[in-house]
Amino acid sequence: DAGVTQSPTHLIKTRGQQVTLRCSPKSGHDTVSWYQQALGQGPQFIFQYYEEEERQRGNFPDRFSGHQFPNYSSELNVNALLLGDSALYLCASSLGGLGEAFFGQGTRLTVV
Amino acid sequence: EDKVVQSPLSLVVHEGDTVTLNCSYEVTNFRSLLWYKQEKKAPTFLFMLTSSGIEKKSGRLSSILDKKELFSILNITATQTGDSAVYLCAVKETSGSRLTFGEGTQLTVNP
Repeated sequence: DAGVTQSPTHLIKTRGQQVTLRCSPKSGHDTVSWYQQALGQGPQFIFQYYEEEERQRGNFPDRFSGHQFPNYSSELNVNALLLGDSALYLCASSLGGLGEAFFGQGTRLTVV
Repeated sequence: EDKVVQSPLSLVVHEGDTVTLNCSYEVTNFRSLLWYKQEKKAPTFLFMLTSSGIEKKSGRLSSILDKKELFSILNITATQTGDSAVYLCAVKETSGSRLTFGEGTQLTVNP
């Protein structure tokens, strides 16, 4: 049973570029949440998708957008990258958002 | 705004020691508190606590929640070098399923 998988594992982008990160939830899960974790900090909630719609959103600018597909997989898009967007981006899946969330290995994004 | 504060932020112990990690929270509509262990990248789930005074236990790890005083503790007995990690505390509200995390406690267990 595959857990939560994210791709790519590492990514280097230049300021101003756009990036797309991908997440496949754990089998049987229908809710996907995205978190940003800066070095030495706890993860910060970006947004959550359920039934292909954004259900909740944290305090992140509109440059951060997402999508959920019918198979429950999800993408996180970040436009106009800033140096401060460098972080570990974690995807978490759950069933209906009520039980414990299972995390993927994350995508390490470096903006130069 | 929801707030989760963990202490200490870092801790260095020797193998065999017992450690207690603290987590206090302020949240409008509390549903549950969760503990995660983060060794390299993916936080791995340890416990979910919803009721006060009921200890959850898994091997050498245990945790308890006090909803009146708004805190939780995570205990690790007979620590091993493999326990070295960042331990994250997070709270979940009733109004949704987002997790609000603390900064984490960096635990280092030396042989």
